[in-house]
Amino acid sequence: AQTVTQSQPEMSVQEAETVTLSCTYDTSENNYYLFWYKQPPSRQMILVIRQEAYKQQNATENRFSVNFQKAAKSFSLKISDSQLGDTAMYFCAFTGNQFYFGTGTSLTVIP
Amino acid sequence: DVKVTQSSRYLVKRTGEKVFLECVQDMDHENMFWYRQDPGLGLRLIYFSYDVKMKEKGDIPEGYSVSREKKERFSLILESASTNQTSMYLCASGNPGPLSYEQYFGPGTRLTVT
Repeated sequence: AQTVTQSQPEMSVQEAETVTLSCTYDTSENNYYLFWYKQPPSRQMILVIRQEAYKQQNATENRFSVNFQKAAKSFSLKISDSQLGDTAMYFCAFTGNQFYFGTGTSLTVIP
Repeated sequence: DVKVTQSSRYLVKRTGEKVFLECVQDMDHENMFWYRQDPGLGLRLIYFSYDVKMKEKGDIPEGYSVSREKKERFSLILESASTNQTSMYLCASGNPGPLSYEQYFGPGTRLTVT
């Protein structure tokens, strides 16, 4: 079975600081994709960043970057220079033969 | 911009009623998905479809069925709604491919079954 685990149900960070959200997954597949999605309060889910498993280089999108450790099956999200608009639920997701989401981490950015 | 729309943002139904949740996407995506979102459980896949009239069960298909008669439309059906189906339902669409598998989500339908 494939599972995605987010061990931090809630986190908070001061505005302008850096925060890291953790995600681990379990799979026997070799080719797959990993994603971080953001769901702001009462708003639509949107993609933050994606990582192809066959790429060793960690993906980066502006203030968002990942630390992908394939052997350890770890896929953490780092948010630099946190902004109030980053307050949201963040979901880690795995796509291989099927589609799996983690239970989410609620991030609050404190002014 | 990709647009995924869902027929209702909020819905209240009675136990035993037949409930239809509609989802439409405008990007000619091959794949469409239905998830339910519950606090502490994240998103759980109910069904997905990779082509018209094709469907695959996800993790929690019991009590649900789906219909995809046209490429742009994917319906979720609760044949006889029960209180444990009270939840947020999210529709998503996307295309398979080496540079994709990204899913685009609709705004969600919050269903309450009383």
